[in-house]
Amino acid sequence: EVQLVESGGGLAQPGGSRRLSCAASGFIFSGYWVHWVRQAPGEGLVWVSRINIDGSITNYADSVKGRFTISRDNAKKTLYLQMNSLRVEDTGVYYCVRRGDGDYFDSWGQGTLVTVSS
Amino acid sequence: SYELTQPPSVSVSPGQTASVTCSGDKLGDKYACWYQQKPGQSPVLVIYQDTKRPSGIPERFSGSNSGDTATLTISGTQAMDEADYYCQAWDTSTGGNVFGPGTKVTVL
Repeated sequence: EVQLVESGGGLAQPGGSRRLSCAASGFIFSGYWVHWVRQAPGEGLVWVSRINIDGSITNYADSVKGRFTISRDNAKKTLYLQMNSLRVEDTGVYYCVRRGDGDYFDSWGQGTLVTVSS
Repeated sequence: SYELTQPPSVSVSPGQTASVTCSGDKLGDKYACWYQQKPGQSPVLVIYQDTKRPSGIPERFSGSNSGDTATLTISGTQAMDEADYYCQAWDTSTGGNVFGPGTKVTVL
């Protein structure tokens, strides 16, 4: 069974940092692109970032470019999101998602909540 | 950047057909997919590559995509189908994925 388990959420101050992790199991992690998607409270889904199978290609939404860094450790089967210079509008549930064999997400984690507030 | 639009809400009676639209410039030239999200839960893929259903998704869910509009159709809608539905496509200009704003399907 495919499992994606996020951790690292919590309260952060504006301007602060937070590192999210996503532990993968039940599939060959090194064979898949993985992404982060966030959802502000009561709002819709917003794509944040993606990384290819060996970490050599990364893309970011304009809203986080220059502040967030996506990375992965295939040996540990773990995806990361380093979030710096956090803003109130970065508040939301962050989902780790697996890209299927096309431009769609076939597996989602349970999400981890990040709250940016003073 | 690429944008997708969806109606905020759709209402349907049990057993009837619900149609949820997703519009974007030349969306038919891209692949569209759909996710179902129930309150307090993570999204679930219900349609991918315009028309395909993942294993475990009921046959009453179907999709189409042509011109500027993709459509999710729920035939014989059941109370359990009440949820938010999001369309998604890939923005080739930015290399990022784009979601529609979501449609709340209410089964009255």
